[in-house]
Amino acid sequence: GENVEQHPSTLSVQEGDSAVIKCTYSDSASNYFPWYKQELGKGPQLIIDIRSNVGEKKDQRIAVTLNKTAKHFSLHITETQPEDSAVYFCAASSGGYQKVTFGTGTKLQVIP
Amino acid sequence: SAVISQKPSRDICQRGTSLTIQCQVDSQVTMMFWYRQQPGQSLTLIATANQGSEATYESGFVIDKFPISRPNLTFSTLTVSNMSPEDSSIYLCSVEGQGNYEQYFGPGTRLTVT
Repeated sequence: GENVEQHPSTLSVQEGDSAVIKCTYSDSASNYFPWYKQELGKGPQLIIDIRSNVGEKKDQRIAVTLNKTAKHFSLHITETQPEDSAVYFCAASSGGYQKVTFGTGTKLQVIP
Repeated sequence: SAVISQKPSRDICQRGTSLTIQCQVDSQVTMMFWYRQQPGQSLTLIATANQGSEATYESGFVIDKFPISRPNLTFSTLTVSNMSPEDSSIYLCSVEGQGNYEQYFGPGTRLTVT
């Protein structure tokens, strides 16, 4: 089955700096890679995703990159703000109602 | 996206009892998923529920412990049976919207077993 590794487990950045979270996956059949943000006491919220036919996707301050050859994908948050503080999960799936496998999570702290 | 609600939002239960968690979606969806998230941990899929058929359970999860119902396209329940303190977790339901790969999560049910 799919295995998703995520690093780092914790990340502290100064407000305004960038944050990068990296994930690797094992199953070459995976073709859909979502990222979730989970705030304390809430369910995970889908913030951005990327499919295997695309190498990069941006949405305002958030971007995701995918290297299918190396089976790596990363989340980049620029100009971080205190409200970005949360736990972020990467995930991988072969899509179409298939199982989503989650990474272990990264606790991001943005220091004002 | 889909709007998902769960009941109860939290509960404290005695060892040996059972709790049924409800998940309601604001639109019809084909697949619903139940996850467990232990404190400070990632999400682990318990089972996938398709309307009109038996749920499909992941390795390590069995129907006798986690029976699931899926009576229609907007509703599902997960029961945690014969609870022990090890069942203390957040239980989350999610849905995939119309086969477009995107999964959306409910707010979760925080269960404490004493």
